Amino acid sequence: DTEVTQTPKHLVMGMTNKKSLKCEQHMGHRAMYWYKQKAKKPPELMFVYSYEKLSINESVPSRFSPECPNSSLLNLHLHALQPEDSALYLCASSQDRQARKTQYFGPGTRLLVL
Amino acid sequence: DAKTTQPPSMDCAEGRAANLPCNHSTISGNEYVYWYRQIHSQGPQYIIHGLKNNETNEMASLIITEDRKSSTLILPHATLRDTAVYYCIVRAAREETSGSRLTFGEGTQLTVNP
Repeated sequence: DTEVTQTPKHLVMGMTNKKSLKCEQHMGHRAMYWYKQKAKKPPELMFVYSYEKLSINESVPSRFSPECPNSSLLNLHLHALQPEDSALYLCASSQDRQARKTQYFGPGTRLLVL
Repeated sequence: DAKTTQPPSMDCAEGRAANLPCNHSTISGNEYVYWYRQIHSQGPQYIIHGLKNNETNEMASLIITEDRKSSTLILPHATLRDTAVYYCIVRAAREETSGSRLTFGEGTQLTVNP
Protein backbone atom coordinates (compact mmCIF):
# COMPACT_ATOMS: atom_id res chain seq x y z
CA ASP A 1 0.00 0.00 0.00
CA THR A 2 1.52 3.32 -1.07
CA GLU A 3 -1.37 5.60 -0.24
CA VAL A 4 -1.05 9.19 0.86
CA THR A 5 -4.35 10.88 1.63
CA GLN A 6 -5.07 14.60 1.57
CA THR A 7 -8.06 16.55 2.80
CA PRO A 8 -9.91 18.51 1.71
CA LYS A 9 -9.88 17.84 -2.04
CA HIS A 10 -10.96 21.39 -2.79
CA LEU A 11 -10.82 24.56 -0.68
CA VAL A 12 -12.04 28.08 -1.35
CA MET A 13 -10.93 30.74 1.11
CA GLY A 14 -10.88 34.49 1.45
CA MET A 15 -7.73 36.47 2.05
CA THR A 16 -8.59 36.97 5.73
CA ASN A 17 -9.44 33.34 6.45
CA LYS A 18 -7.40 30.77 8.34
CA LYS A 19 -7.56 27.22 7.05
CA SER A 20 -5.52 24.04 7.22
CA LEU A 21 -4.61 21.30 4.76
CA LYS A 22 -4.12 17.80 6.08
CA CYS A 23 -1.97 14.95 4.81
CA GLU A 24 -1.81 11.43 6.23
CA GLN A 25 0.17 8.27 5.49
CA HIS A 26 0.31 4.94 7.27
CA MET A 27 3.32 3.44 5.53
CA GLY A 28 5.71 4.13 8.40
CA HIS A 29 7.47 6.78 6.32
CA ARG A 30 9.61 9.23 8.27
CA ALA A 31 9.99 11.93 5.60
CA MET A 32 7.06 14.06 4.46
CA TYR A 33 6.90 16.88 1.94
CA TRP A 34 4.72 19.75 0.76
CA TYR A 35 4.84 20.79 -2.89
CA LYS A 36 2.96 23.58 -4.65
CA GLN A 37 1.84 23.34 -8.27
CA LYS A 38 0.54 26.29 -10.23
CA ALA A 39 -1.58 25.69 -13.30
CA LYS A 40 0.36 24.26 -16.24
CA LYS A 41 3.61 24.26 -14.25
CA PRO A 42 5.56 21.45 -12.57
CA PRO A 43 5.38 20.90 -8.80
CA GLU A 44 7.78 22.92 -6.66
CA LEU A 45 9.07 21.86 -3.24
CA MET A 46 7.96 23.96 -0.26
CA PHE A 47 8.88 22.04 2.90
CA VAL A 48 10.53 18.80 3.98
CA TYR A 49 10.02 17.13 7.35
CA SER A 50 12.34 14.37 8.50
CA TYR A 51 11.51 12.44 11.68
CA GLU A 52 8.91 15.10 12.55
CA LYS A 53 11.43 17.93 12.34
CA LEU A 54 11.45 20.61 9.66
CA SER A 55 14.60 20.09 7.62
CA ILE A 56 14.00 22.17 4.50
CA ASN A 57 12.03 25.39 4.03
CA GLU A 58 12.34 26.64 0.46
CA SER A 59 11.99 30.30 1.48
CA VAL A 60 8.23 29.94 1.70
CA PRO A 61 6.33 33.03 2.97
CA SER A 62 5.29 32.87 6.62
CA ARG A 63 1.61 32.88 5.66
CA PHE A 64 2.22 29.15 5.05
CA SER A 65 2.96 27.34 8.30
CA PRO A 66 3.73 23.61 8.24
CA GLU A 67 3.28 21.29 11.19
CA CYS A 68 4.12 17.63 11.71
CA PRO A 69 2.34 16.53 14.91
CA ASN A 70 3.36 12.87 14.52
CA SER A 71 5.03 10.57 12.05
CA SER A 72 1.82 9.90 10.12
CA LEU A 73 0.40 13.38 9.86
CA LEU A 74 1.44 16.58 8.12
CA ASN A 75 -0.52 19.82 8.20
CA LEU A 76 -0.18 23.06 6.29
CA HIS A 77 -1.76 26.02 8.04
CA LEU A 78 -2.84 28.87 5.82
CA HIS A 79 -3.39 32.47 6.92
CA ALA A 80 -3.79 35.74 5.04
CA LEU A 81 -3.17 34.16 1.66
CA GLN A 82 -3.14 36.05 -1.60
CA PRO A 83 -4.97 35.18 -4.81
CA GLU A 84 -1.64 34.20 -6.38
CA ASP A 85 -1.39 31.40 -3.79
CA SER A 86 -4.19 29.59 -5.61
CA ALA A 87 -2.68 26.28 -6.69
CA LEU A 88 -2.70 22.51 -6.24
CA TYR A 89 -0.97 21.63 -2.96
CA LEU A 90 0.62 18.21 -2.99
CA CYS A 91 1.81 16.14 -0.07
CA ALA A 92 4.34 13.33 -0.48
CA SER A 93 6.09 10.88 1.81
CA SER A 94 9.09 8.56 1.61
CA GLN A 95 10.73 6.03 3.89
CA ASP A 96 13.41 8.61 4.64
CA ARG A 97 15.14 11.45 2.81
CA GLN A 98 17.63 9.39 0.88
CA ALA A 99 17.48 9.76 -2.89
CA ARG A 100 16.99 6.05 -3.48
CA LYS A 101 13.80 6.12 -1.39
CA THR A 102 10.80 6.81 -3.56
CA GLN A 103 8.47 9.70 -2.80
CA TYR A 104 4.78 8.84 -3.04
CA PHE A 105 2.30 11.63 -3.66
CA GLY A 106 -1.24 12.25 -2.51
CA PRO A 107 -3.97 13.46 -4.85
CA GLY A 108 -3.56 17.07 -3.78
CA THR A 109 -5.78 19.85 -2.44
CA ARG A 110 -6.90 22.38 -5.01
CA LEU A 111 -6.92 25.78 -3.31
CA LEU A 112 -8.65 28.88 -4.58
CA VAL A 113 -8.01 32.16 -2.77
CA LEU A 114 -10.55 34.89 -3.45
CA ASP B 1 20.99 18.12 -9.22
CA ALA B 2 21.69 17.62 -12.89
CA LYS B 3 19.36 19.33 -15.32
CA THR B 4 17.15 17.22 -17.57
CA THR B 5 15.85 17.94 -21.07
CA GLN B 6 12.69 16.32 -22.43
CA PRO B 7 10.65 16.96 -25.57
CA PRO B 8 7.57 19.01 -24.67
CA SER B 9 5.13 16.65 -26.34
CA MET B 10 4.84 13.24 -28.00
CA ASP B 11 2.08 11.19 -29.56
CA CYS B 12 1.68 7.45 -29.54
CA ALA B 13 -0.87 5.06 -30.99
CA GLU B 14 -2.81 2.91 -28.57
CA GLY B 15 -1.28 -0.54 -28.22
CA ARG B 16 2.12 0.56 -29.46
CA ALA B 17 5.22 1.13 -27.36
CA ALA B 18 5.80 4.66 -26.13
CA ASN B 19 9.47 5.62 -25.89
CA LEU B 20 10.07 8.80 -23.91
CA PRO B 21 13.60 10.21 -24.05
CA CYS B 22 15.40 12.24 -21.42
CA ASN B 23 18.75 13.96 -21.68
CA HIS B 24 20.80 14.40 -18.49
CA SER B 25 24.27 15.02 -19.83
CA THR B 26 25.59 16.59 -16.60
CA ILE B 27 24.55 13.68 -14.37
CA SER B 28 27.11 12.64 -11.78
CA GLY B 29 27.92 9.15 -10.62
CA ASN B 30 25.80 9.21 -7.49
CA GLU B 31 22.64 10.64 -9.03
CA TYR B 32 19.53 8.56 -9.62
CA VAL B 33 17.18 8.91 -12.59
CA TYR B 34 13.52 8.93 -11.56
CA TRP B 35 10.39 8.94 -13.70
CA TYR B 36 7.01 10.17 -12.54
CA ARG B 37 3.85 10.90 -14.44
CA GLN B 38 0.94 13.18 -13.70
CA ILE B 39 -2.46 12.58 -15.13
CA HIS B 40 -4.48 15.78 -15.40
CA SER B 41 -5.23 17.32 -11.97
CA GLN B 42 -3.98 14.29 -10.04
CA GLY B 43 -0.89 13.86 -7.87
CA PRO B 44 2.32 12.68 -9.54
CA GLN B 45 2.60 8.91 -9.77
CA TYR B 46 5.92 7.13 -9.35
CA ILE B 47 6.86 4.95 -12.32
CA ILE B 48 10.42 3.71 -12.01
CA HIS B 49 13.94 4.73 -11.09
CA GLY B 50 17.50 3.58 -11.70
CA LEU B 51 21.13 4.40 -11.04
CA LYS B 52 23.23 2.61 -13.66
CA ASN B 53 21.46 -0.55 -14.75
CA ASN B 54 18.35 -0.88 -16.84
CA GLU B 55 15.23 -1.48 -14.76
CA THR B 56 11.84 -3.01 -15.44
CA ASN B 57 8.68 -3.19 -13.38
CA GLU B 58 5.02 -3.84 -14.06
CA MET B 59 4.50 -0.35 -15.46
CA ALA B 60 7.53 0.37 -17.60
CA SER B 61 11.17 -0.20 -18.48
CA LEU B 62 13.97 2.27 -17.96
CA ILE B 63 16.95 2.14 -20.29
CA ILE B 64 19.99 4.16 -19.18
CA THR B 65 22.84 4.62 -21.64
CA GLU B 66 26.26 3.33 -20.65
CA ASP B 67 27.62 6.87 -20.17
CA ARG B 68 24.44 7.71 -18.18
CA LYS B 69 23.96 10.93 -20.13
CA SER B 70 20.50 9.96 -21.31
CA SER B 71 17.69 7.54 -20.62
CA THR B 72 14.49 6.28 -22.19
CA LEU B 73 11.27 5.34 -20.46
CA ILE B 74 9.40 2.63 -22.34
CA LEU B 75 5.70 1.93 -21.90
CA PRO B 76 5.44 -1.36 -23.80
CA HIS B 77 1.76 -1.24 -24.76
CA ALA B 78 0.39 2.26 -24.33
CA THR B 79 -3.29 2.71 -23.47
CA LEU B 80 -5.48 5.81 -23.46
CA ARG B 81 -5.04 5.93 -19.66
CA ASP B 82 -1.31 6.50 -20.15
CA THR B 83 -2.01 10.00 -21.49
CA ALA B 84 -0.19 12.22 -18.98
CA VAL B 85 2.77 14.51 -18.40
CA TYR B 86 5.89 12.42 -17.84
CA TYR B 87 8.68 13.85 -15.72
CA CYS B 88 12.29 12.71 -15.80
CA ILE B 89 14.09 13.78 -12.62
CA VAL B 90 17.68 13.42 -11.49
CA ARG B 91 18.24 13.20 -7.74
CA ALA B 92 21.48 13.49 -5.85
CA ALA B 93 22.16 10.61 -3.49
CA ARG B 94 23.43 12.84 -0.68
CA GLU B 95 20.58 13.34 1.78
CA GLU B 96 22.07 16.38 3.43
CA THR B 97 22.21 18.35 0.23
CA SER B 98 19.53 17.93 -2.38
CA GLY B 99 18.74 14.26 -2.07
CA SER B 100 15.39 15.08 -0.57
CA ARG B 101 14.29 17.11 -3.51
CA LEU B 102 12.36 16.11 -6.53
CA THR B 103 13.11 18.99 -8.89
CA PHE B 104 10.55 18.68 -11.64
CA GLY B 105 11.25 20.04 -15.12
CA GLU B 106 8.54 20.83 -17.64
CA GLY B 107 8.13 17.16 -18.62
CA THR B 108 6.73 15.55 -21.77
CA GLN B 109 3.02 15.58 -22.51
CA LEU B 110 2.34 12.12 -23.90
CA THR B 111 -0.92 11.76 -25.78
CA VAL B 112 -2.03 8.23 -26.61
CA ASN B 113 -4.38 8.23 -29.58
CA PRO B 114 -7.00 5.57 -30.36
